[in-house]
Amino acid sequence: KAGVTQTPRYLIKTRGQQVTLSCSPISGHRSVSWYQQTPGQGLQFLFEYFSETQRNKGNFPGRFSGRQFSNSRSEMNVSTLELGDSALYLCASSLDPGQGANEQFFGPGTRLTVL
Amino acid sequence: AQSVTQLGSHVSVSEGALVLLRCNYSSSVPPYLFWYVQYPNQGLQLLLKYTSAATLVKGINGFEAEFKKSETSFHLTKPSAHMSDAAEYFCAVSLYSGNTPLVFGKGTRLSVIA
Repeated sequence: KAGVTQTPRYLIKTRGQQVTLSCSPISGHRSVSWYQQTPGQGLQFLFEYFSETQRNKGNFPGRFSGRQFSNSRSEMNVSTLELGDSALYLCASSLDPGQGANEQFFGPGTRLTVL
Repeated sequence: AQSVTQLGSHVSVSEGALVLLRCNYSSSVPPYLFWYVQYPNQGLQLLLKYTSAATLVKGINGFEAEFKKSETSFHLTKPSAHMSDAAEYFCAVSLYSGNTPLVFGKGTRLSVIA
């Protein structure tokens, strides 16, 4: 099976712009989560989507949003970019095991640089 | 609220020496625990996971971890370090329900000296 893919891998934007990142989960996985990774804050949970519905949300401002399509592919959008949004954005997919362990499979990430 | 503390942001070992990366968790209920590894410019790869089946968990690449409830610890070990083990390692916790997001530690960078 192909792994989680993320596009683009690298992105450079300027302050005030908006950006859309894309994630294709492993075939058959219905849950997609997004994480932001920075040197200062480490890995922080952004949100999780399951069956096109946001199921969990982290503590990020409303400028960060996402959605999931019927084929489980997901996008996240950041509007009005700030310098502090520069980070590696990781997408992870998982089956929805119910009471089982939430094992997540990560993509290679999108490196966003805001100038 | 659940949290994870990784002691030591940077650990350096000689090739062939024991690797010990420390992780302590805080959780109000029995958690699921994970160790992930991240190589430069790559995503995270699961090394092993604890799901209450056995306290000693064996993972990939010769790594293992032991769940100690009394110490709320889940330390990662490998008997003999290899140069290819140099990477960043993250401990993570999620609640038993399985539908909650992963909470990660700050990570430990492992350097292996020849």
